[in-house]
Formats: sequence, C-alpha cells, structure tokens
Amino acid sequence: SQQGEEDPQALSIQEGENATMNCSYKTSINNLQWYRQNSGRGLVHLILIRSNEREKHSGRLRVTLDTSKKSSSLLITASRAADTASYFCATDAGGSTLTFGKGTMLLVSP
Amino acid sequence: DTAVSQTPKYLVTQMGNDKSIKCEQNLGHDTMYWYKQDSKKFLKIMFSYNNKELIINETVPNRFSPKSPDKAHLNLHINSLELGDSAVYFCASSQGPSAGGLSTGELFFGEGSRLTVL
Repeated sequence: SQQGEEDPQALSIQEGENATMNCSYKTSINNLQWYRQNSGRGLVHLILIRSNEREKHSGRLRVTLDTSKKSSSLLITASRAADTASYFCATDAGGSTLTFGKGTMLLVSP
Repeated sequence: DTAVSQTPKYLVTQMGNDKSIKCEQNLGHDTMYWYKQDSKKFLKIMFSYNNKELIINETVPNRFSPKSPDKAHLNLHINSLELGDSAVYFCASSQGPSAGGLSTGELFFGEGSRLTVL
C-alpha cells in the first residue's frame, strides 16, 4: 500500500526561486529519503533523514522531518532549470524495502 | 562505469508473449529489487532479493517470476503478457539492512525498461 503522499502534485517556478515539496506518511519509520527522477531516467537518491533527526542539509537541499505529524519537506533553494524533474519521498518502515509516494513534478523556467 | 544496468531499455511485444528483463549491479550490494512504475509515475515494489534469496514478494501475478543466479544479478521473466503489464520496470540495489539493524538505506536505480504490450 502507498505510504507517502507528496504535495503539491506539480509545481512551476522561475529560476532563482525556492521550491518546497511536502510528504506525508502513515506509519512509523526508520528513515525517510528523497529521490529525483529526470524524464525518462532512473531515480537518483538525494538525501536520507533518520527518524531521530529533524533537519538535514545537502548543498542547496534542506530536508525537515516531523515524526509527530508524520511529514517531511524538501526545500530546494535558488532553483535552476536543471532542477526540473519529479521528486519522490520514500519511507523505510522496517519492511526491508522503501515505499514511494506519487511524486511532485517540478518545472523550473529560465 | 554503470552501477545498475538493465536491458533492454525498450521492449515492445504482443499480448500473450513471454519476455525477460535483465539486471546487473557492480556495487557489491546484497539486496536487489524490482519496482514497477505506472503511467502516473507511481512506483510499486514487486520483489526483493537478499543474497539470492527472495525476501519480498508483493501481490504480483504468478506470471512474473524473478530469478537471481547470484547476488549481482536479478532478472525478471514475464509470461503471457497482458496489456496492463505495460509500464516502466526499474531494477535497484542497496547494501540492504545495515549490520545488526533493519534499516533500508539508499537505493541505486537502473535507467528503467519500458515495456509496451500491444
């Protein structure tokens, strides 16, 4: 069954703006991960945040995790046209695999 | 050097045929997966193998049969293809649950195999 739900489904912004995507999930987790998928390509891992962490940074990416609300957010700062892709959250609920949400399609216009 | 490679990238076939997709990883990972991505981009786990042993088998029709000859390879064979099997199939690998733990770490994905059943 689906665990994560991303919001919004689609996001369109201008280069230089920040993009925020949210993910909600249903059960307790070991960790939550974010992935990017460019059109016609495989998924690429961006960042992993453990259940005992609240915030993590990697370059222009900032991820927060609120286990009490069962939600996470991914912030991409100073977006670039090359950030155009679909972004997925995935949860590890201890079932020996990850469960993915439906993704947010991000379009960054020059 | 491609970490997770799967072939073929595109597969177009008729209903009722049997087809296979191959996957190989050179990362030395213990765990390999098959995911199915539908037309709405929803990714669903199908199978997971750890050191050649099946550990996850979601509610997938018996027409789908994975085979892992060694821990670097996980192939997917599909019998009697149906229209609804049209999708992109992704192979992935991970180091698997960390030693002594149950966490699933980063997954490394192949580029996908787009299957179209006519």
